[in-house]
Amino acid sequence: EAGVAQSPRYKIIEKRQSVAFWCNPISGHATLYWYQQILGQGPKLLIQFQNNGVVDDSQLPKDRFSAERLKGVDSTLKIQPAKLEDSAVYLCASSLRGAGNEKLFFGSGTQLSVL
Amino acid sequence: DQQVKQNSPSLSVQEGRISILNCDYTNSMFDYFLWYKKYPAEGPTFLISISSIKDKNEDGRFTVFLNKSAKHLSLHIVPSQPGDSAVYFCAAPRGGGKLIFGQGTTLQVKP
Repeated sequence: EAGVAQSPRYKIIEKRQSVAFWCNPISGHATLYWYQQILGQGPKLLIQFQNNGVVDDSQLPKDRFSAERLKGVDSTLKIQPAKLEDSAVYLCASSLRGAGNEKLFFGSGTQLSVL
Repeated sequence: DQQVKQNSPSLSVQEGRISILNCDYTNSMFDYFLWYKKYPAEGPTFLISISSIKDKNEDGRFTVFLNKSAKHLSLHIVPSQPGDSAVYFCAAPRGGGKLIFGQGTTLQVKP
């Protein structure tokens, strides 16, 4: 079974530039999550999708971050404009239904460096 | 508000000995806890979980203990192996499948 796919693996940009990350969840998984992991911290949820609808985006800095999940499959996360503090690993995860005790399956992440 | 806390950033143990990783939580409504393991340049992978109705769950070399009165859980790895060297996160579901993660503990197992 194919896992969660993410691209690119690494991205280096200058502040005020824009960047986009792509995620393809496990086939059949209805729920998709974007997490931000800053060095030395645990992953922090940015946004949760159920199919193609947003369930929770309360932690997403909406002045600069946006995300979409067209057709309820692939998802993109965009940052525009980027700030130095956005340097982090952006992890995509998926689960079957988004139920309380389900395991989340993570992709390898995109490591973003903002200079 | 850090609802799940791992107060030890790092732990070093000798191969063959026991590794004990600790996690504290503040929300008594959590009814399930998970441990994830993360190698460099990879995403976290699920390791073991425990329901709040239990006080122990074992899977091979890995055992998780839950002390609800102390709001504390621990992961025991016996015997520790060099391949166990990784970052370990404890996590709890916040509702709707969302996980709240601790800060992580980096385990180094020395040969």
